[in-house]
Amino acid sequence: DTEVTQTPKHLVMGMTNKKSLKCEQHMGHRAMYWYKQKAKKPPELMFVYSYEKLSINESVPSRFSPECPNSSLLNLHLHALQPEDSALYLCASSQSPGLELTEQFFGPGTRLTVL
Amino acid sequence: QQQVKQSPQSLIVQKGGISIINCAYENTAFDYFPWYQQFPGKGPALLIAIRPDVSEKKEGRFTISFNKSAKQFSLHIMDSQPGDSATYFCAASKRTGFQKLVFGTGTRLLVSP
Repeated sequence: DTEVTQTPKHLVMGMTNKKSLKCEQHMGHRAMYWYKQKAKKPPELMFVYSYEKLSINESVPSRFSPECPNSSLLNLHLHALQPEDSALYLCASSQSPGLELTEQFFGPGTRLTVL
Repeated sequence: QQQVKQSPQSLIVQKGGISIINCAYENTAFDYFPWYQQFPGKGPALLIAIRPDVSEKKEGRFTISFNKSAKQFSLHIMDSQPGDSATYFCAASKRTGFQKLVFGTGTRLLVSP
């Protein structure tokens, strides 16, 4: 199984809502990533988890709250978002940091619209 | 120093032609250079990657050329097909550590039938 799955595929939320994005992989990868991608732009790194611990936070606003409950799951909790947060949110995973193999496997993304 | 510059922004190639996309980096600590292909509504998928100890890597119709002294690398797609129409991102990172990929700005490739 070389797949990263993300749910939901699409999400529309108001600025006062609380919602969560979910990412799952069963490749035994111990590094997981959240990226944000605006239209016609490259993905921008938001968070990196290594062995279920938050290793990198790229100065992301606190209205985005990541969580890694176990080695296969990664969540992104959303609260009080702004319309400019509308984007494609991508999850990725890779083998343990420190190993030579660096391929990051991306999921299909969640298309988020904030009204 | 963290930037990866990519050109062209968009490219139209006839079926059967060669598509060439170029990237340049600044940080000499980078030692892993992948290319990702992204179709609309999908996540990026790794196409091919190279390390700086080789000057060229070929996988099927896709070839990466790497020039370490110039800090440039390029993707060549031979015999381009309409199914290759997608956005291509070059990227760079260190091979170890947290593998922070620095992406280029992307090239939208359209292969006309």
